[in-house]
Amino acid sequence: QKEVEQDPGPLSVPEGAIVSLNCTYSNSAFQYFMWYRQYSRKGPELLMYTYSSGNKEDGRFTAQVDKSSKYISLFIRDSQPSDSATYLCAMIASYDKVIFGPGTSLSVIP
Amino acid sequence: EPEVTQTPSHQVTQMGQEVILRCVPISNHLYFYWYRQILGQKVEFLVSFYNNEISEKSEIFDDQFSVERPDGSNFTLKIRSTKLEDSAMYFCASSEIGGSYEQYFGPGTRLTVT
Repeated sequence: QKEVEQDPGPLSVPEGAIVSLNCTYSNSAFQYFMWYRQYSRKGPELLMYTYSSGNKEDGRFTAQVDKSSKYISLFIRDSQPSDSATYLCAMIASYDKVIFGPGTSLSVIP
Repeated sequence: EPEVTQTPSHQVTQMGQEVILRCVPISNHLYFYWYRQILGQKVEFLVSFYNNEISEKSEIFDDQFSVERPDGSNFTLKIRSTKLEDSAMYFCASSEIGGSYEQYFGPGTRLTVT
């Protein structure tokens, strides 16, 4: 079983839709959970991070963590064409080593 | 807004040659990282660095790789004898504190080994 799994997509939605992006993981030692956005041929850009189970909101983005199910989600409300990118979930267990999921490609169609 | 910068943006080298990839982390950050992303694959951790020492490294980071902070601003990744499979995007990242979920990434250097 892979450490972090993520539906690769591609996911295509109309502008204004609510987008749900998900990751599952197998290592119960993961403590911090992050979401990064990556545009084509660019570096990952940190969107949000969470520690505990529950929800965290930042503008149009909501991150959700369920440690008991080893499942994390990112919701994007009122999606915009500029949200079109690859979304990477990421997690930390040991001190500095961030483990990334393979990413979900999202297209928001105007 | 402060950002991590990397040079060059694209490096082409022949197999067996040495390459040095350069990064300038965010100025008040103390923890530095290298990651790589082979085309179409996930971002993979290579190494973390603090206080002039490697704090953690992955199994990918073998004896062919080394890191250095040669001065107060630069952070470098050296690959001693490049292989075809080293072709990838290499990302530098930095964070203010260790064990950090708040790592900020540079734009990457695309390394092509021919």
